[in-house]
Order: sequence, then C-alpha cells, then structure tokens
Amino acid sequence: GESVGLHLPTLSVQEGDNSIINCAYSNSASDYFIWYKQESGKGPQFIIDIRSNMDKRQGQRVTVLLNKTVKHLSLQIAATQPGDSAVYFCAESRYSSASKIIFGSGTRLSIRP
Amino acid sequence: KAGVTQTPRYLIKTRGQQVTLSCSPISGHRSVSWYQQTPGQGLQFLFEYFSETQRNKGNFPGRFSGRQFSNSRSEMNVSTLELGDSALYLCASSLQGRNLGDSPLHFGNGTRLTVT
Repeated sequence: GESVGLHLPTLSVQEGDNSIINCAYSNSASDYFIWYKQESGKGPQFIIDIRSNMDKRQGQRVTVLLNKTVKHLSLQIAATQPGDSAVYFCAESRYSSASKIIFGSGTRLSIRP
Repeated sequence: KAGVTQTPRYLIKTRGQQVTLSCSPISGHRSVSWYQQTPGQGLQFLFEYFSETQRNKGNFPGRFSGRQFSNSRSEMNVSTLELGDSALYLCASSLQGRNLGDSPLHFGNGTRLTVT
C-alpha cells in the first residue's frame, strides 16, 4: 500500500484492548479539533470532532478528550478491532474557518491478534 | 451517495511539465479544498474554492493554482513541475462553505503524482 509517513510514531495494541492516541496542538486560537483516520491507499476519513467549549465528546466506540490548558487532545478507541489499523491524525482549525485545517503528523495504530 | 471522486488515481510526469488534477465533490457540496500529503511535510492545505471563487489559500508557490466550475467540480494545476512536487494530492468537499464545524470535510482517495 501507499506509505503515508515513513517515520510515524507507532502504537501497538492487542485486539480487544482500548487504544489511546495523543496529540499536542500548537495554536491557542484554534477552537475546533478533529480526528481523522487514514487507511492505506485512501484519503482521511472523519472520525469525531470537538469544539473548544467542550472537554469530552463520545461517538461510537470513540471518545475525544480536550485539555485546553496544556493544548492536548486524545482519541480513545474502545475494544480495538483489526479494522482500526490505520494512521490517525489530529487536526486543529477555527470553527468559523471554511476549510483550512492544520494536521498533526499522525500516529500509526497497529493491532496485534 | 457517491463520495469525493478524484481523477486520475496515479500520474507520472517529468520535471518542467505541467499537470491538471480533477475533483468531483459529493453531490450538493459547494466547497472544495485541496491538500498535499508527503511523508516529510504531512498534510498541508493548498487552497479552497466556494462558488467558483478562491476563498482561502495556503503557503504554496504560484505554480500551484486551481479553479472551480459552476457545478462545483474543481481542478488543480501545477506548472513547471519539480521533483519535490511528488505527493498525494487530496481533494475534500463540504456541504456548507461557511463554518467548518457545521459540515466536516469529506476527502477523496487522492491522486498520486510522481515527478521524475
């Protein structure tokens, strides 16, 4: 498959365990944060988003936590499955921005059977 | 509903040539934006079009340009290609063009450009 990044940090998780992917963002003015999943040969796929007036948001098997004090974002995936193997990107933006997103460098999630 | 469609899927060009990439957004989406993805620089914003007008632009040289048609389809052009332009070029569309948070971006699978 196509390589998204040659030297991405990798998180290896046992199938069925929970995964936690961390991200630090840089711009204090950012008020909107998104997590994307990118599988080999595909474009980024939206997972979940959160606005800065929240510190937690839950989706289906995923939870995003936001700590504005230390500019930290995390994505928790419950009961990790083989299909969760991918590169995960956090991204920051302004809610009122039309489309300009600043992406993080990504974390590769690897699932052990 | 069909997703964002990008053509061609793969492209090989020679230094100095120019290239045009095409993007068809999801039906009803009026905003189209372009991103470049490389192993070294990651995902970087190129520009965004809404109602045939470029509304936002990243920090790329003028060799990179784009346009949007009345049916919201978009093209991106790179002139005088350089080796460093080798990348995956991603197009994304959104329903609304105003607040990103109202309608997150939906990405296509990209065009892989190789410059030799």
